[in-house]
Amino acid sequence: DTGVSQDPRHKITKRGQNVTFRCDPISEHNRLYWYRQTLGQGPEFLTYFQNEAQLEKSRLLSDRFSAERPKGSFSTLEIQRTEQGDSAMYLCASTPPRTGAYEQYFGPGTRLTVT
Amino acid sequence: QQQVKQSPQSLIVQKGGISIINCAYENTAFDYFPWYQQFPGKGPALLIAIRPDVSEKKEGRFTISFNKSAKQFSLHIMDSQPGDSATYFCAAVTSGTYKYIFGTGTRLKVLA
Repeated sequence: DTGVSQDPRHKITKRGQNVTFRCDPISEHNRLYWYRQTLGQGPEFLTYFQNEAQLEKSRLLSDRFSAERPKGSFSTLEIQRTEQGDSAMYLCASTPPRTGAYEQYFGPGTRLTVT
Repeated sequence: QQQVKQSPQSLIVQKGGISIINCAYENTAFDYFPWYQQFPGKGPALLIAIRPDVSEKKEGRFTISFNKSAKQFSLHIMDSQPGDSATYFCAAVTSGTYKYIFGTGTRLKVLA
C-alpha cells in the first residue's frame, strides 16, 4: 500500500498560464476527492468522484477549474488562466470501496504558486 | 449551518501534559467526525474518528470525546510529546455526501 501520490509536489507558474495536477489514489479506492488548502486554513472541498463519475462540485470550482478521472483510477485537476488567488495547496484524498466508509486518506499535496 | 468551529487557534503544552482541542457544529445531519494531524508541507493524516452513537473513543494516547446533545466533540492527547507538535483539524461529514467540512485548525506546540 503506497498511499495517495500527487504530482508535481510544487508548481510555480505565471498568472494566465494553465496548470494540471495529477493524483493517484490508493489502489482499489473507488472514491477520490480534491480539496484546496490556503495558509492557516483547513482544507476546502472542491469535488469528488466515485469511480469515473464526478458526483459533486463545490461552488469554489469556477469555470476555470476542471477535474477528470477517465478510467476510475488516477485523476487530474486543471486550472486554466491561473490567477494569484489560485495559489494554495491542492490536496487529493481517496476512500476504500467498503460500504459506509468515510475515512479519507490524503496525499502530500501539490503546492501551487502563481506569480 | 455547515460550519465546524474549532478552538483554540493555537495551544502550547508542556511535555507530558494533556492537549485538548474542541470543535462544535450545528448540522445534526453530520454523522462522522474525524481528526487529522498535519505537519508543515505534508497532507493531513487521519488520527482517529468517531460516530455519534458513541460518546468516547480511544486509540493509544488519542481520545475523542463526543457530546451529541451539545453538538461538540474534542480531541485529547495524553502524555503530549514534542513530536506531536503539528496542526490538528477536526472535520465532519454528512451521510451520503462524503465531503468533509473541516475546522480552521489548531496549531499545537509541545515544549520539551
